Amino acid sequence: EAQVTQNPRYLITVTGKKLTVTCSQNMNHEYMSWYRQDPGLGLRQIYYSMNVEVTDKGDVPEGYKVSRKEKRNFPLILESPSPNQTSLYFCASRPGLGGEQYFGPGTRLTVT
Amino acid sequence: QQQVKQSPQSLIVQKGGISIINCAYENTAFDYFPWYQQFPGKGPALLIAIRPDVSEKKEGRFTISFNKSAKQFSLHIMDSQPGDSATYFCAASMLVFGNEKLTFGTGTRLTIIP
Repeated sequence: EAQVTQNPRYLITVTGKKLTVTCSQNMNHEYMSWYRQDPGLGLRQIYYSMNVEVTDKGDVPEGYKVSRKEKRNFPLILESPSPNQTSLYFCASRPGLGGEQYFGPGTRLTVT
Repeated sequence: QQQVKQSPQSLIVQKGGISIINCAYENTAFDYFPWYQQFPGKGPALLIAIRPDVSEKKEGRFTISFNKSAKQFSLHIMDSQPGDSATYFCAASMLVFGNEKLTFGTGTRLTIIP
């Protein structure tokens, strides 16, 4: 089944404790993105990647890092999480320009 | 700065009725306008999309109406069903340095009541 998977689905952590949210897609898509969803704000792009080793900032990149060492994986790293990063995070992938974007099931992160 | 404004924030429609969600955009460089449907605990999924060279696109009970001069587009759900209860996001896309950048509206929570 073609899908985007994220782990973990739920995470509660404390301020400053480094964490990684994994994202993997099995559709051989070139483009991958991370979004955060907050009430009243919709979805906002954090980082995106157009291919292996090619990443760039989206609209709200502060406090986040990403890497794209393999085509299928695009982990989101929070080196020192803060409470304002409490949010619902979605990974997404698409085959290329004009292709449909597929979203993962989401990771609900709470930083206390 | 919000480039895509969506209304209403929430909507309650009786079963069989028409649900209408509206979006307005500012940047004329947007060239692709998708709508996403999101059920609780799930990621958004593409529902229907339109490009600005047409004024309407219909897929089953779902129709996008697009008004380029007014910079507005809307989603119409005909014969609304309880299974349509979800959050709907409009979006607008444009190419920025090779990135097909999607800008989302704030979402509409739709509830269909029997």
